[in-house]
Amino acid sequence: GAGVSQSPRYKVAKRGQDVALRCDPISGHVSLFWYQQALGQGPEFLTYFQNEAQLDKSGLPSDRFFAERPEGSVSTLKIQRTQQEDSAVYLCASSLEGGEKLFFGSGTQLSVL
Amino acid sequence: EDKVVQSPLSLVVHEGDTVTLNCSYEVTNFRSLLWYKQEKKAPTFLFMLTSSGIEKKSGRLSSILDKKELFSILNITATQTGDSAVYLCAASIQGAQKLVFGQGTRLTINP
Repeated sequence: GAGVSQSPRYKVAKRGQDVALRCDPISGHVSLFWYQQALGQGPEFLTYFQNEAQLDKSGLPSDRFFAERPEGSVSTLKIQRTQQEDSAVYLCASSLEGGEKLFFGSGTQLSVL
Repeated sequence: EDKVVQSPLSLVVHEGDTVTLNCSYEVTNFRSLLWYKQEKKAPTFLFMLTSSGIEKKSGRLSSILDKKELFSILNITATQTGDSAVYLCAASIQGAQKLVFGQGTRLTINP
């Protein structure tokens, strides 16, 4: 694709609901990343995939957060039993290799009420 | 704990002015320093710096890294309203595929 595509753009959830955020990376990009950006802050690393393998999930804040990339392309970030502190923009990024020069999507803005 | 600090947090200038944005870092196993521009939501890559003292330039933007003093600056000359954005600085780490971002500098260029 032309760029990294994320959906939905906006998601409003009631506290306790489960949500699923989708990321479609640039075709051929091996590496895929999820970052969380709270209002007025810089992005914070959540997790990293190389193809379908999740090689680093050290940034996931709790076991309510789960990410997968089963066929090495599209990725889904799932948050179970959402809490108000989960409200943030979730950014997906991809790269040909490595975690430096990243191509970011426009993010999903999650609001938990 | 790895940390990246940017200053100022916010800056308002007039079109045509020159601005300097600052970034300092404390990172174990530092690999490189990166600058991104964030308009609305998606950050876009500007520069990656790995060596001290070598300026990288792209049009009116330039950046330099000082690995002894652990900081980088981003200069923008002859600013335009289209330069208004949040500028993010990030450090990459040897042996890990992740970036540690600073809080960002919100730059506003008034006509």
